[in-house]
Amino acid sequence: AQSVTQLDSQVPVFEEAPVELRCNYSSSVSVYLFWYVQYPNQGLQLLLKYLSGSTLVESINGFEAEFNKSQTSFHLRKPSVHISDTAEYFCAAKAAGNKLTFGGGTRVLVKP
Amino acid sequence: NAGVTQTPKFQVLKTGQSMTLQCAQDMNHNSMYWYRQDPGMGLRLIYYSASEGTTDKGEVPNGYNVSRLNKREFSLRLESAAPSQTSVYFCASSEWPDRYYEQYFGPGTRLTVT
Repeated sequence: AQSVTQLDSQVPVFEEAPVELRCNYSSSVSVYLFWYVQYPNQGLQLLLKYLSGSTLVESINGFEAEFNKSQTSFHLRKPSVHISDTAEYFCAAKAAGNKLTFGGGTRVLVKP
Repeated sequence: NAGVTQTPKFQVLKTGQSMTLQCAQDMNHNSMYWYRQDPGMGLRLIYYSASEGTTDKGEVPNGYNVSRLNKREFSLRLESAAPSQTSVYFCASSEWPDRYYEQYFGPGTRLTVT
């Protein structure tokens, strides 16, 4: 079955510390991979995506994710978080046709 | 350009009542989707519409119906609400098959069924 697994449901982190959110996908899903962010009481926004080419992709607000085919992973990292990064983060992969399969989400709580 | 809009933002229903959640997009997207979000379960696809005039079941379609009214609008109907349908509902759209499968989401409808 196609699946995306986010290994941590919650990640507390202090402001200006680094954070890593782990995402693994099953080999049966396509390797079009996405990270979405959901700020409190809002819808999901695309943070970054991997379609092909360079295995390291970056967002405009300092996040980066690395596609690792051998480990079937697409972990998200930020070297120094801000209070405003408090949100829930979802990893997703293209499924059959025009659908996406989402992971269970990781809540990031940035503490001052 | 409003993107994807959803109405209502909040709704409380009694068991057995019916309601329709409305969704509209102004990006001229071909595909539209309805998801439900429950704690720890991510987003699960209820129904989707690859193009105007077509609809298909997703992962959790039971208890729901949809209508793709035109290219802009895609509604979700609960005919007889149950407490298990308490959730946050998101509508999304994408340019598939014209772009790379990324989806654009509305702000959500928070539904409580008592």
